[in-house]
Amino acid sequence: DIQMTQSPSSLSASVGDRVTITCRASQSITSYLHWYQQKPGKAPKLLIYTASTLQSGVPSRFSGSGSGTDFTLTISSLQPEDFATYFCQQSHSTPQTFGQGTRVEIK
Amino acid sequence: QVQLQESGPGLVKPSQTLSLTCTVSGGSISSRDYYWSWIRQHPGKGLEWIGYIFYSGSSYYNPSLKSRVTMSVDTSKNQISLMLRSVTAADTAVYYCAREDLEGWFDPWGQGTLVTVSS
Repeated sequence: DIQMTQSPSSLSASVGDRVTITCRASQSITSYLHWYQQKPGKAPKLLIYTASTLQSGVPSRFSGSGSGTDFTLTISSLQPEDFATYFCQQSHSTPQTFGQGTRVEIK
Repeated sequence: QVQLQESGPGLVKPSQTLSLTCTVSGGSISSRDYYWSWIRQHPGKGLEWIGYIFYSGSSYYNPSLKSRVTMSVDTSKNQISLMLRSVTAADTAVYYCAREDLEGWFDPWGQGTLVTVSS
């Protein structure tokens, strides 16, 4: 299975901060990398697919980049509703696998 | 707008079979553009893909669970189902169904249902 490693595991940030989360794959997954946001007690919500394509309805402050093994999710200006846990997921090879999550907390 | 809703028992005894159903509304499960997946999340933990099924009935399961999993599809009811046999406490989790694009991302998801394995 392809291992997905996110860093950091958690971070504290303030409203308005620029936040960057990294996801690394154990082997090349080209651009088959997707990002999700999950709030407590809720299902994950798709933010970005194929590394950099913003899902419809997702605010433009979210962006994704990368290819191969290294990927980044950036929130350009953190908003109160963005405090949540973020997961990456690869679909290059089955079984699809997820990162362990990055919890974004209020500073 | 497509919506998914999981249903089934919230408590299953060890060694028994976990059975869940996912009802799809607002769209047809018979679309050739999507798979229909099950994903679980252990309490406070990450996400584990269980497998997917296509409207035709073809399926693919995570090798880590393959020996215990069966998925099925009922196009007349717009439903998919999950059976997980011989459960243990390690199968306690929130179970989600989700629509999977052919390129592998999941959207939308059901709200999830907590299944606890306990005697």
